[in-house]
Amino acid sequence: AQSVTQPDIHITVSEGASLELRCNYSYGATPYLFWYVQSPGQGLQLLLKYFSGDTLVQGIKGFEAEFKRSQSSFNLRKPSVHWSDAAEYFCAAYSGGYNKLIFGAGTRLAVHP
Amino acid sequence: GAGVSQSPSNKVTEKGKDVELRCDPISGHTALYWYRQSLGQGLEFLIYFQGNSAPDKSGLPSDRFSAERTGGSVSTLTIQRTQQEDSAVYLCASSLAGEGYTFGSGTRLTVV
Repeated sequence: AQSVTQPDIHITVSEGASLELRCNYSYGATPYLFWYVQSPGQGLQLLLKYFSGDTLVQGIKGFEAEFKRSQSSFNLRKPSVHWSDAAEYFCAAYSGGYNKLIFGAGTRLAVHP
Repeated sequence: GAGVSQSPSNKVTEKGKDVELRCDPISGHTALYWYRQSLGQGLEFLIYFQGNSAPDKSGLPSDRFSAERTGGSVSTLTIQRTQQEDSAVYLCASSLAGEGYTFGSGTRLTVV
């Protein structure tokens, strides 16, 4: 079955530190891949997406993600975290054959001053 | 419109009552999705509309849940005889085929 796994439920980093959020997918073929961010009480905002081509994708708010086919991963990174980045982050995958976006369980990011 | 609009933003209802949640997608988006997010949980797929095709209802948790999309635009999610376990945030999203989804701010449903 198609699935998206985010191994880390909670992550805490210090402001200014680098960040990597992990995401693995299980699909028969390479799906379209997305990262969304959800601030408390808010809807989901698209950070970036990967369809094909360059495996390093740049997004908004200084985030980037790297697609690695050999590892079935699409990890999200940011070189220097800001306090405003504290939120929940969702990795998601879409396959045209299944016509739905499947989400990981989310990673809640806390940022210490 | 500029974004996906959902109404109401908050709804408190008594157990056993019916509720209707509305989603107004981005103009021109052919696909519309409903998801449910329970407290501390991820997003659970409910139903998917694509153009004039029959909707994918595979995620609806029970026959108390139904949804329709009129004229390929506005969608209404109806929950009949609400139960406390229906309390959640109901999110709507729309997209063009193959593109990223744009989500609304959601309707927070509380069943008391």
